[in-house]
Amino acid sequence: ETGVTQSPTHLIKTRGQQVTLRCSSQSGHNTVSWYQQALGQGPQFIFQYYREEENGRGNFPPRFSGLQFPNYSSELNVNALELDDSALYLCASSWGLANSYNEQFFGPGTRLTVL
Amino acid sequence: SQQGEEDPQALSIQEGENATMNCSYKTSINNLQWYRQNSGRGLVHLILIRSNEREKHSGRLRVTLDTSKKSSSLLITASRAADTASYFCATDSNSGNTPLVFGKGTRLSVIA
Repeated sequence: ETGVTQSPTHLIKTRGQQVTLRCSSQSGHNTVSWYQQALGQGPQFIFQYYREEENGRGNFPPRFSGLQFPNYSSELNVNALELDDSALYLCASSWGLANSYNEQFFGPGTRLTVL
Repeated sequence: SQQGEEDPQALSIQEGENATMNCSYKTSINNLQWYRQNSGRGLVHLILIRSNEREKHSGRLRVTLDTSKKSSSLLITASRAADTASYFCATDSNSGNTPLVFGKGTRLSVIA
């Protein structure tokens, strides 16, 4: 078990609604990354936050946004939910930017279902 | 952009057998990581191999990297039922926007 926690565990929303997912990073880590994992696929990078600023974004529209707080915890916000947003959302923390040099410590994920 | 691609997509073996999974990638890399994911849960880092390394061991895990073939393999020896999980490779992206790219994974089932 890593020290990364996520809430809620499961969430059901309807199309057009907005959702906020939360992540507490492992103690001592200054970077939080968010990933979307569709069923049967690998995690896809959404964006990462380093010292409270967005530092790199994958191929996701602006309705996906985030925040990182001074204690390095983070939120992922998704507006105008679409059916295709149904997925497992994973956050990962690391000391330093997420890249192939740094081990990522993942939380258990939030399962989002959009009806 | 998909960089790493695992093969096979699914693998079923008996307990005690060895399991080998492969990962191929398209462009040059700095490092390659392997992760494990138990069903619907978070990923756990297994091992990181640098581009100048050819082989690395960690317990029952053995990872090889062949940069000339742009491929890596993960070998799990003497598999156990608890090894049942999905295994992903992750490496540098060939897109400037994404720092780390995961493959689609190999689903390993170890039958007791």
